[in-house]
Amino acid sequence: AQSVTQLGSHVSVSEGALVLLRCNYSSSVPPYLFWYVQYPNQGLQLLLKYTSAATLVKGINGFEAEFKKSETSFHLTKPSAHMSDAAEYFCAVSSGGGADGLTFGKGTHLIIQP
Amino acid sequence: SAVISQKPSRDICQRGTSLTIQCQVDSQVTMMFWYRQQPGQSLTLIATANQGSEATYESGFVIDKFPISRPNLTFSTLTVSNMSPEDSSIYLCSVDGGSYYNEQFFGPGTRLTVL
Repeated sequence: AQSVTQLGSHVSVSEGALVLLRCNYSSSVPPYLFWYVQYPNQGLQLLLKYTSAATLVKGINGFEAEFKKSETSFHLTKPSAHMSDAAEYFCAVSSGGGADGLTFGKGTHLIIQP
Repeated sequence: SAVISQKPSRDICQRGTSLTIQCQVDSQVTMMFWYRQQPGQSLTLIATANQGSEATYESGFVIDKFPISRPNLTFSTLTVSNMSPEDSSIYLCSVDGGSYYNEQFFGPGTRLTVL
């Protein structure tokens, strides 16, 4: 069984400040991890993915995430927040193989203060 | 990545009725998935639809309530049957990205309100 925990249902940062969204996972097999972003009234867009090739993963819009097996974490960061980053962010896990759905965390609403 | 469209984008329905949601992909895909996102909540997998076989439902979801069709490699439908206000949610379809890692690409969603 797999699960994802996202700490903080809401995170507020100032424009230009560091963004840090936390994700911890539980998996009995080597996990594949994803961050998705959902803008208001839209579907989910894939930000980045961890597939075991590299522990530091760079994604779109300046986001990156680091896989830390010892901490079972996959936190999402961005050095400088922009107003357009305001959205809902979801961490998800899969076990691979192509046939299973994703298990999502509860999501973190990112608020950018001007 | 695949381009996915859903119809309708939103609907308001009366309790006791049924709504069929369509999901169209611009390329052939093996696996399609249906998720529910209740207001202010995360996504929960309803079922996995593989062309040519019966859909596989997750615990808590049954075929009588959420029948799914997958007639070909680019199309699927999800029906929400005998609706109640608790079925008010966003319903999203997604497709397998074609890699081993299960990355998925999502449609824009169908926002359903049941009165």
